[in-house]
Amino acid sequence: QITLKESGPTLVKPTQTLTLTCTFSGFSLSTSGVGVGWIRQPPGKALEWLALIYWNDDKRYSPSLKSRLTITKDTSKNQVVLTMTNMDPVDTATYYCAHGQQLVPFFDYWGQGTLVTVSS
Amino acid sequence: SYELTQPLSVSVALGQTARITCGGNNIGSKNVHWYQQKPGQAPVLVIYRDSNRPSGIPERFSGSNSGNTATLTISRAQAGDEADYYCQVWDSSTGVVFGGGTKLTVL
Repeated sequence: QITLKESGPTLVKPTQTLTLTCTFSGFSLSTSGVGVGWIRQPPGKALEWLALIYWNDDKRYSPSLKSRLTITKDTSKNQVVLTMTNMDPVDTATYYCAHGQQLVPFFDYWGQGTLVTVSS
Repeated sequence: SYELTQPLSVSVALGQTARITCGGNNIGSKNVHWYQQKPGQAPVLVIYRDSNRPSGIPERFSGSNSGNTATLTISRAQAGDEADYYCQVWDSSTGVVFGGGTKLTVL
């Protein structure tokens, strides 16, 4: 079965760079049409999409955050890494990674999420 | 940028039908997906491509999409259906777009 799990720091300081890793199993990111996305959710607020990477290394970013985000994949390790620069307290959120489809993007399997707090 | 509008809250009596709307400009031309999120849990896909149910999702959940409104319908509402519900589309300019979420209360 498909599983995903996020890992990374739980606390970062303002202006620092956040690096999150999504480790998955049950599928391969070298399979046509497959993708992995990152979505975040501030406490008590709505879901916000961040980035997507597909099997063919096609990458998509949220226009509002594009300048701060980088998404990469390591197919051999079954991992996707998201970096977000210049972290601010408003970036405090639960960060999820999820398995997605390329042709009609939606997320059918999600990780449990990891809470990242930005504070000095 | 493309935006999706959902009501903040919807209430439904136990056993009755709940309808949660998702508004967007010509949303009928897009594929709409719906997620259920219970407190402290990750979202779960309940409807994809307007009206398709993933395996394991009860038939009580259905979806429709036309014009400027997509609708998630939950028949015979149960206490366990209480959750936040989010619609989502893909827009060629904006990317993945989520609605603001609707809190469903079962009375």
